Amino acid sequence: QKEVEQDPGPLSVPEGAIVSLNCTYSNSAFQYFMWYRQYSRKGPELLMYTYSSGNKEDGRFTAQVDKSSKYISLFIRDSQPSDSATYLCAMSTTDSWGKLQFGAGTQVVVTP
Amino acid sequence: DAGVIQSPRHEVTEMGQEVTLRCKPISGHNSLFWYRQTMMRGLELLIYFNNNVPIDDSGMPEDRFSAKMPNASFSTLKIQPSEPRDSAVYFCASSLAGEGGFTDTQYFGPGTRLTVL
Repeated sequence: QKEVEQDPGPLSVPEGAIVSLNCTYSNSAFQYFMWYRQYSRKGPELLMYTYSSGNKEDGRFTAQVDKSSKYISLFIRDSQPSDSATYLCAMSTTDSWGKLQFGAGTQVVVTP
Repeated sequence: DAGVIQSPRHEVTEMGQEVTLRCKPISGHNSLFWYRQTMMRGLELLIYFNNNVPIDDSGMPEDRFSAKMPNASFSTLKIQPSEPRDSAVYFCASSLAGEGGFTDTQYFGPGTRLTVL
C-alpha cells in the first residue's frame, strides 16, 4: 500500500463550480502538507503549504488538514478553465530534509 | 530569475546507450532533487543533495543510475546502460534548506522527456 493515496480522476466540473480534492495517508509522522499544480508538459508548482492540522486560505484556494483522520483536502472556489491541471498532494516529516512523498495526482478539467 | 534549467528537453535513445541529463538549479539554492514521473508510478524522488552532498539516494532504482553534483550550479543524472523501462519524464527541482533541515518550496524545472527504444 502506498503511503499517500490520491484518486487520479479525471474530475470534470463546470466553470464556477467548487473543486474538491483529497488525499489520505498512512504515515502519522507527516507534519508538512503541500498541494502542487502541474499543467500538461510542465513541472509541478507549489500552490499551498500547511504545517500540521488546520485550514489555510489563499484567494480561491483552501487547504485543510485533519491529522486525526490522516486526510487532507484542497478546495478551489469559482473554478476557471485555467484551473484545468493535475493537482498533486505531497507531504513530509520534520526530519526528512525535504524528502516529499507525492500522491498520484488528480486530473481536473474545468469546462466553460 | 531563469528558474531551474534542464537539458535536453527531449531525448530519444536506443536501449543500451548512455544517457546524461543535466540540471542547473536556481542561484542561491542549496538543495537539489531529481525526480522521475511515469503514469504507472507517479512522481518519485530518486536522489537529493544538500550543499552538493548526496543526502538520500534510496530512490535510485538500480546501479545503472548515478547522479553527481560537482558544484552548486550543476548536477547530472546518468543512466548507463539505458533500458526501455527507463522511459519517463525526469524532473530536477531546487530549494533553499533552512538549518532545521526542512526545505522550503521546491521549484521544479520543465523536465526532460526520455524515450528509450
